[in-house]
Amino acid sequence: RKEVEQDPGPFNVPEGATVAFNCTYSNSASQSFFWYRQDCRKEPKLLMSVYSSGNEDGRFTAQLNRASQYISLLIRDSKLSDSATYLCAVSPGVMDSNYQLIWGAGTKLIIKP
Amino acid sequence: DAGVIQSPRHEVTEMGQEVTLRCKPISGHDYLFWYRQTMMRGLELLIYFNNNVPIDDSGMPEDRFSAKMPNASFSTLKIQPSEPRDSAVYFCASSSPDGYNEQFFGPGTRLTVL
Repeated sequence: RKEVEQDPGPFNVPEGATVAFNCTYSNSASQSFFWYRQDCRKEPKLLMSVYSSGNEDGRFTAQLNRASQYISLLIRDSKLSDSATYLCAVSPGVMDSNYQLIWGAGTKLIIKP
Repeated sequence: DAGVIQSPRHEVTEMGQEVTLRCKPISGHDYLFWYRQTMMRGLELLIYFNNNVPIDDSGMPEDRFSAKMPNASFSTLKIQPSEPRDSAVYFCASSSPDGYNEQFFGPGTRLTVL
């Protein structure tokens, strides 16, 4: 089992719809969780840090479920510009290595007009 | 504020040649990470530094790869000799221990080894 797993997609979603995807992690000691967005031929860019209480930024909501060991990303009222690959990243959970991140392979999202 | 700066943005070289990739982290960030990204393997951590000291190089594929960080504002990743299977996008990222450990990426170097 991979340490961090994501459904690769693609998720094909009509503009204006709501879409959600999850990322599961294997290490229950993980402390930091992130969603990054990566456009084609660009670098990953931080979208949201995921806090234990969950957090929201405009149309984006991130949740952490420690019991089931996954994080989720919900996008409401999707825009064409939301088309991208969404990477999740999780800290390894080992104290000395907490500054590293373990990366999922990404979920590709395509918003269709 | 300037983000992470990488150079060159594109590099095309022939097998056997030496390649040097450069990175300038965000000022004040103590951690610097080198990643490689390919379609097949995704984003792989190669090595990371804390306060210019290499902490974990277990991701470096083999002895042909080496990385240095002579000061807080500069790091290099060197491949010697290069091979076609090294073709990938190489990203540098930095983070600050004062934050939530978020990493910020440079634009990457797209390396093609012929």
